[in-house]
Amino acid sequence: QKEVEQNSGPLSVPEGAIASLNCTYSDRGSQSFFWYRQYSGKSPELIMFIYSNGDKEDGRFTAQLNKASQYVSLLIRDSQPSDSATYLCAADDMRFGAGTRLTVKP
Amino acid sequence: DAGVTQSPTHLIKTRGQQVTLRCSPKSGHDTVSWYQQALGQGPQFIFQYYEEEERQRGNFPDRFSGHQFPNYSSELNVNALLLGDSALYLCASSSNRYTEAFFGQGTRLTVV
Repeated sequence: QKEVEQNSGPLSVPEGAIASLNCTYSDRGSQSFFWYRQYSGKSPELIMFIYSNGDKEDGRFTAQLNKASQYVSLLIRDSQPSDSATYLCAADDMRFGAGTRLTVKP
Repeated sequence: DAGVTQSPTHLIKTRGQQVTLRCSPKSGHDTVSWYQQALGQGPQFIFQYYEEEERQRGNFPDRFSGHQFPNYSSELNVNALLLGDSALYLCASSSNRYTEAFFGQGTRLTVV
């Protein structure tokens, strides 16, 4: 069965630190991956997606993909309290992980 | 440009009843996926519709059914509601199966 797995956390980092969120997937046929942010009581919103091995940067966010290891990560630099949310990883068949809850402490 | 819209936003039903949830995709999108999200869990994939046909289905019983209309809008129907069906139901649209999806605000279903 195809799976997308994430550490449920919670993950707590101080303001200004780097938050590192990780995701693994079981289907080697998956080609692209998506990171969503979900605030409590709200629907998920897309942060970024990645198709190629390596890093993709967008502002304070960097997505990393390693297809050989079937591993995707999201780095948030200079974390802000407003980044406190649940972060969801999804594969291109739109199966989601359980999410990692991030808290950024002022 | 309206994004993905879902209706209703909240709904209370009694066990055994049937419910229909509606979704209008983002302009230019032709694929609609439905998810169930229980509190503290990630979204669970129910099914996906493209060209008015169910293209993929997750591990949900036949009580969950859907439809897509020629204008790409979609409905999710749940029959014989159980208490465990209480959840946030999310609709996501995309321009094809493998591009990023955008979510509606969700429908909060409570079964009592």
